[in-house]
Amino acid sequence: DARVTQTPRHKVTEMGQEVTMRCQPILGHNTVFWYRQTMMQGLELLAYFRNRAPLDDSGMPKDRFSAEMPDATLATLKIQPSEPRDSAVYFCASGQIVTGLDTQYFGPGTRLTVL
Amino acid sequence: DAKTTQPPSMDCAEGRAANLPCNHSTISGNEYVYWYRQIHSQGPQYIIHGLKNNETNEMASLIITEDRKSSTLILPHATLRDTAVYYCIVRVDRQGAQKLVFGQGTRLTINP
Repeated sequence: DARVTQTPRHKVTEMGQEVTMRCQPILGHNTVFWYRQTMMQGLELLAYFRNRAPLDDSGMPKDRFSAEMPDATLATLKIQPSEPRDSAVYFCASGQIVTGLDTQYFGPGTRLTVL
Repeated sequence: DAKTTQPPSMDCAEGRAANLPCNHSTISGNEYVYWYRQIHSQGPQYIIHGLKNNETNEMASLIITEDRKSSTLILPHATLRDTAVYYCIVRVDRQGAQKLVFGQGTRLTINP
């Protein structure tokens, strides 16, 4: 049963530290998404990649966040420097996306706490 | 994409059918209705989608009104594991329209 995996599952860090979250998409999927979930904002899209190329990162704070796909099996989301307001659950999703209707499969998330 | 409106919470007894409504009165002709759910501490999970015909799969049924302004997700025999937040999302069949825009959803509680 293929699944999206994310590491770490939980991360506690101090303000100002760099945080790196990793995602392994389902093998063969061409699109990877990063979402963030907070109590106040709910689930919101940060960025997504198609065939490893960034397509849309308009939801991401550019000054401190960066997303990359160094290869087809790994997507990373970095925050540098981290701030308490970045505390949230970060979800990665992948899909074999051709149109706007294709299913996205979500990972279990990384719960980030910035003190 | 069209906006959706869902009740913030619902309760249902275990073993009964859970009927979750969704209003999407501004939906366009090429927009589909999707349902995802999020069980506590997990990522969202796809349930079902439809355009204008009723749909059924192993998880649920989707009933879309004839004018397409509203729909109902039906879990025919709800179990405790169906307790989750259910999101109704409208999506368009268009290349580049990959975003899932989540609202607040309906928090469904299945009671024993």
